[in-house]
Amino acid sequence: GAGVSQSPSNKVTEKGKDVELRCDPISGHTALYWYRQSLGQGLEFLIYFQGNSAPDKSGLPSDRFSAERTGGSVSTLTIQRTQQEDSAVYLCASSSTGSGTIYFGEGSWLTVV
Amino acid sequence: GQSLEQPSEVTAVEGAIVQINCTYQTSGFYGLSWYQQHDGGAPTFLSYNALDGLEETGRFSSFLSRSDSYGYLLLQELQMKDSASYFCAVSSVGGATNKLIFGTGTLLAVQP
Repeated sequence: GAGVSQSPSNKVTEKGKDVELRCDPISGHTALYWYRQSLGQGLEFLIYFQGNSAPDKSGLPSDRFSAERTGGSVSTLTIQRTQQEDSAVYLCASSSTGSGTIYFGEGSWLTVV
Repeated sequence: GQSLEQPSEVTAVEGAIVQINCTYQTSGFYGLSWYQQHDGGAPTFLSYNALDGLEETGRFSSFLSRSDSYGYLLLQELQMKDSASYFCAVSSVGGATNKLIFGTGTLLAVQP
């Protein structure tokens, strides 16, 4: 596509429910990132995929968080047993290795009530 | 581990010049990037420095000193639309696009 697409754009869920957030990167981009941004805060690194290499999961805050990337394209971030502190904007980004630019989607705004 | 420090807020007037500093501590440093984020929007790429020195892109310039673990973003001829948050980010694997770790951001307020 023309840009990084994320869905849903907004999600309200009850505490304890599981949620899935989807990211469709720019076509041809080999690198894909997930970040989390709480209101008025910085961008917290969650996970990084690069081509067929093992993902860098060092930023995932707990084992309730997982992500996969199928076919080197679409990625899904899953949060199990959501907690109120999971409320944030989840930003996905992609890049073409060596391009020098990382492109963000508009984010998925998650609210846990 | 990795950490980046930048001022939380900066205020300047229209037409002025402002400098936003960033200091970092990281292993495997490859470059420093800058991103702009307007309220409610997605971050957008501004510039990248892999080598020491100044990179200029229009009204924006970015500087890096690897020996000092320090960089800055310079915004000239400030406009109201420059009011936004500015994040520095360290690339810790290789190239500007690999595992970016972001600072906490600097909120720039441009006043008339």
